[in-house]
Amino acid sequence: AQKITQTQPGMFVQEKEAVTLDCTYDTSDPSYGLFWYKQPSSGEMIFLIYQGSYDQQNATEGRYSLNFQKARKSANLVISASQLGDSAMYFCAMREGTGRRALTFGSGTRLQVQP
Amino acid sequence: EAQVTQNPRYLITVTGKKLTVTCSQNMNHEYMSWYRQDPGLGLRQIYYSMNVEVTDKGDVPEGYKVSRKEKRNFPLILESPSPNQTSLYFCASSWEGSVNEQFFGPGTRLTVL
Repeated sequence: AQKITQTQPGMFVQEKEAVTLDCTYDTSDPSYGLFWYKQPSSGEMIFLIYQGSYDQQNATEGRYSLNFQKARKSANLVISASQLGDSAMYFCAMREGTGRRALTFGSGTRLQVQP
Repeated sequence: EAQVTQNPRYLITVTGKKLTVTCSQNMNHEYMSWYRQDPGLGLRQIYYSMNVEVTDKGDVPEGYKVSRKEKRNFPLILESPSPNQTSLYFCASSWEGSVNEQFFGPGTRLTVL
């Protein structure tokens, strides 16, 4: 079974609007971390936001927030007030607290912000 | 500045010619890892290392070797590259006991002809 599922291969959003990128995950480990990374066309992986499995509050970093619904095993990324520079691939990833603790990535969502 | 560096950033080579991609981090991290990224598949872990002289296979280790003789360095070795190893490669590091952020290198674009 897929550990990380991103069901939106591509998304469009108008500049200045908010957008939600979906991510669901699957793990039986009680300790895990959820991440979102941005990958612009230049290729580097840019860390955006992190949510720990024991965190009570949803993580926020500037215009990014993570809508963490533990019971549903979802960790959606919300980008408020989209900017043209937000156009990129976005990856959801999970790192479990035991085992080899690799980052397991979803297949990504390509976001295009339109003026 | 805390960082993970990779060299080379771009490489075009031919089938069978041994190559090494270097990775170095200056944060004294115990955990280091290599990933490859292919279209539609996200990133997949190739090998990882929990500490010096401790390495183990990830999801896609075939055709790769690694070594961890020093804490800061974790080179990826392709003894006999093949075209299916054409990919974008990332090195990453983190503290061994943490589940939060892994620091990524800038990536190495490898083409095997």
